[in-house]
Amino acid sequence: SQTIHQWPATLVQPVGSPLSLECTVEGTSNPNLYWYRQAAGRGLQLLFYSVGIGQISSEVPQNLSASRPQDRQFILSSKKLLLSDSGFYLCAWSPALTQETQYFGPGTRLLVL
Amino acid sequence: SQQGEEDPQALSIQEGENATMNCSYKTSINNLQWYRQNSGRGLVHLILIRSNEREKHSGRLRVTLDTSKKSSSLLITASRAADTASYFCATYRSGGSYIPTFGRGTSLIVHP
Repeated sequence: SQTIHQWPATLVQPVGSPLSLECTVEGTSNPNLYWYRQAAGRGLQLLFYSVGIGQISSEVPQNLSASRPQDRQFILSSKKLLLSDSGFYLCAWSPALTQETQYFGPGTRLLVL
Repeated sequence: SQQGEEDPQALSIQEGENATMNCSYKTSINNLQWYRQNSGRGLVHLILIRSNEREKHSGRLRVTLDTSKKSSSLLITASRAADTASYFCATYRSGGSYIPTFGRGTSLIVHP
């Protein structure tokens, strides 16, 4: 069966510090991968998606970036965090062929102080 | 603009009552999905309804889709305290888009 992992679960970082959040998927090949951010009590904002290794599409211009160095690994990064980067970050995958259902990781809560 | 919008934003009911949440969207879709999110956790897929379907059931869940009104509803029957969560609808636009659009969600509280 497929599983999706995210780490860390919680992160407190000072403004201006770098960020690296990792997401890995097991049990499937060539998934579509997604990074979302969710502000408190709000819906999901799609940040990046990827349909293959090295293929990243950005939905929202900001100081974040994403990379997909391996088929089932998706990394969200920042060189310098802003206060507004605080939020709940969710990684998700969907089957490449059907693209119908998204499977979410447990999320990373980021607090930038 | 937001593709899916849930209504109401918040719903508070007693255990045993039914809970109904609505979702409206703007463009043609291939399918519509409902997800559930417990506080501080990831989203979990509940049910998918295709554009050529009008109603679908899964346990205590009933989903309807009205493509002429561009709306869907999620009914949870005989609610339980464990149903307390946020519920989101998501749509994929017709034409092969692999980018889903999520609404802002309905926060459901079921009081024991």
